[in-house]
Amino acid sequence: KNEVEQSPQNLTAQEGEFITINCSYSVGISALHWLQQHPGGGIVSLFMLSSGKKKHGRLIATINIQEKHSSLHITASHPRDSAVYICAPDTGAGSYQLTFGKGTKLSVIP
Amino acid sequence: GEEVAQTPKHLVRGEGQKAKLYCAPIKGHSYVFWYQQVLKNEFKFLISFQNENVFDETGMPKERFSAKCLPNSPCSLEIQATKLEDSAVYFCASSQFSFGYTFGSGTRLTVV
Repeated sequence: KNEVEQSPQNLTAQEGEFITINCSYSVGISALHWLQQHPGGGIVSLFMLSSGKKKHGRLIATINIQEKHSSLHITASHPRDSAVYICAPDTGAGSYQLTFGKGTKLSVIP
Repeated sequence: GEEVAQTPKHLVRGEGQKAKLYCAPIKGHSYVFWYQQVLKNEFKFLISFQNENVFDETGMPKERFSAKCLPNSPCSLEIQATKLEDSAVYFCASSQFSFGYTFGSGTRLTVV
């Protein structure tokens, strides 16, 4: 049983394109995290959301708690955005542990 | 800037040997988490701490894995008698909740 579904699994985009990555989850959560894992393996936390929308630079994250769905958008994509993007809800019923989606591998071509 | 410091970056152990991994969380962060990344995008929660107390250990394989977070020392994750399937990248993260997680750069454990 997969509690967290991400789509697409792989995404190739031309530089400058608008990108959307989707995440659906099946359990109740207190917060949802979007993470970025670079080819070298390091993980950066992009957003923590419990409602609505957040924006940071060219990145926008939205969440719809009723529909159990979140999206990550990248405007004016750039080759340096190439990475794996991971949706990770806090589904631990108060334990704060994250459940990780399988990730979306994004490649942005110049 | 502040970072979660994990050491060593790489660790190679023969099957049956002990492995010990370290994590220094960001000062002021009350929570520490250990996660195991086995395949490219398969993460497994192991254990979390609230200060030096175990907060949630539901993911720990108790027979061979143990972890501690003692005051004024880095947190540690120890694997006794390593097995081939323990080969993975082990990530530590610390949090002060309102502000999300900060991850360390990981320790790659290879069991041969």
